[in-house]
Amino acid sequence: EIVMTQSPATLSVSPGERATLSCRASQSISSNLAWFQQKPGQAPRLLIYGASTRATGIPARFSGSGSGTEFTLTISSLQSEDFAVYYCQHYNNWPQWTFGQGTKVEIK
Amino acid sequence: QVTLKESGPVLVKPTETLTLTCTVSGFSLSNSRMGVSWIRQPPGKALEWLAHISSNDEKSYITSLKSRLTISKDTSKSQVVLTMTNMDPVDTATYFCARIRYSLPDYWGQGTLVTVSS
Repeated sequence: EIVMTQSPATLSVSPGERATLSCRASQSISSNLAWFQQKPGQAPRLLIYGASTRATGIPARFSGSGSGTEFTLTISSLQSEDFAVYYCQHYNNWPQWTFGQGTKVEIK
Repeated sequence: QVTLKESGPVLVKPTETLTLTCTVSGFSLSNSRMGVSWIRQPPGKALEWLAHISSNDEKSYITSLKSRLTISKDTSKSQVVLTMTNMDPVDTATYFCARIRYSLPDYWGQGTLVTVSS
């Protein structure tokens, strides 16, 4: 099983600032990585797939990068609606997915 | 408009079998490019993929729970059913179904919270 490790667990950021979230895979997953945003009481929303491609309707302030085992999600200028939990997920050996444990982005 | 909606019991007793139904609309379960997965999330914890069924009825399960899970579908009713046997309090979670397109969950249901308690 591929283990996905996210860091940090919690990120405190002021509105307007940049947020950088990390995700590491226990073995190479090429670019088969997605990022999701989840707000309390809601289902996750797909933000990024293929490590760097924004899903339909996702603002340009969200960007993804990386390949192999190291990945990053960057939110260039945090808006109030961006405070949420973010999960990375690999789909390298579909359909045996695994998710990371999540990074909570909170207001500083 | 694509929608998915989970339904099932909110409370089950330990050792009982859980049966959840995902009713979909806006797409067909026979569409060759789409499938449906079940994913769960214990309160305050991370997401865990459980099972998947493809358009041609291929089924996949998380290895750790494979002996307890069964996924099936009724294309005519636009429903996907997940059963989980021998429920335990650690199985308390919100259970989501999601449409899978090109290996990714692009639409999710709202989720249904299932509590396992005597």
